[in-house]
Amino acid sequence: KAGVTQTPRYLIKTRGQQVTLSCSPISGHRSVSWYQQTPGQGLQFLFEYFSETQRNKGNFPGRFSGRQFSNSRSEMNVSTLELGDSALYLCASSTRWASTDTQYFGPGTRLTVL
Amino acid sequence: TQLLEQSPQFLSIQEGENLTVYCNSSSVFSSLQWYRQEPGEGPVLLVTVVTGGEVKKLKRLTFQFGDARKDSSLHITAAQPGDTGLYLCAGSSSDKLIFGTGTRLQVFP
Repeated sequence: KAGVTQTPRYLIKTRGQQVTLSCSPISGHRSVSWYQQTPGQGLQFLFEYFSETQRNKGNFPGRFSGRQFSNSRSEMNVSTLELGDSALYLCASSTRWASTDTQYFGPGTRLTVL
Repeated sequence: TQLLEQSPQFLSIQEGENLTVYCNSSSVFSSLQWYRQEPGEGPVLLVTVVTGGEVKKLKRLTFQFGDARKDSSLHITAAQPGDTGLYLCAGSSSDKLIFGTGTRLQVFP
């Protein structure tokens, strides 16, 4: 069974631009969660989608948004990029809810904002 | 805001040594997970503990969940270079998974 895939793996953007990251979950998994990982703040929860609905949301500004498609693939978008958005963005999929089921993480997308 | 504090933040040891990583919070969690993350990869789940006082063993790794379900520890016996990585604890509460601050372990041959 293929694991969680994320594209692109690396991305360089400039301040003010917007970016879209993609996550393909493990086949059969209906929940996709997104996390931001930085050296200073660690791994922080962004949001979770289950069956195309946002089920949970972390404490991030509205510039961070996401969606999930009927095939469970998910995208997250960050608008008006700031230097502080430079981070490793991880997505994780699980059969049902992230808080109760085992999450399988992708390798992440490394975003650098210049 | 729920916080999970891990200690130590960094650990650098020789192969064969024992070590313990701690994960502490003032909040109660319904379950607690431990992950290991290697460079260029996402975290990989090692274990989930759900009952206060529970102890789980995974080869040389021993995980314990505190009686009050507010803290946990990971003990590694006879560490090997392959144990090198970032260790993360994560607590489940209010339908969210809260990750700890992380412990970066380096094991030298």
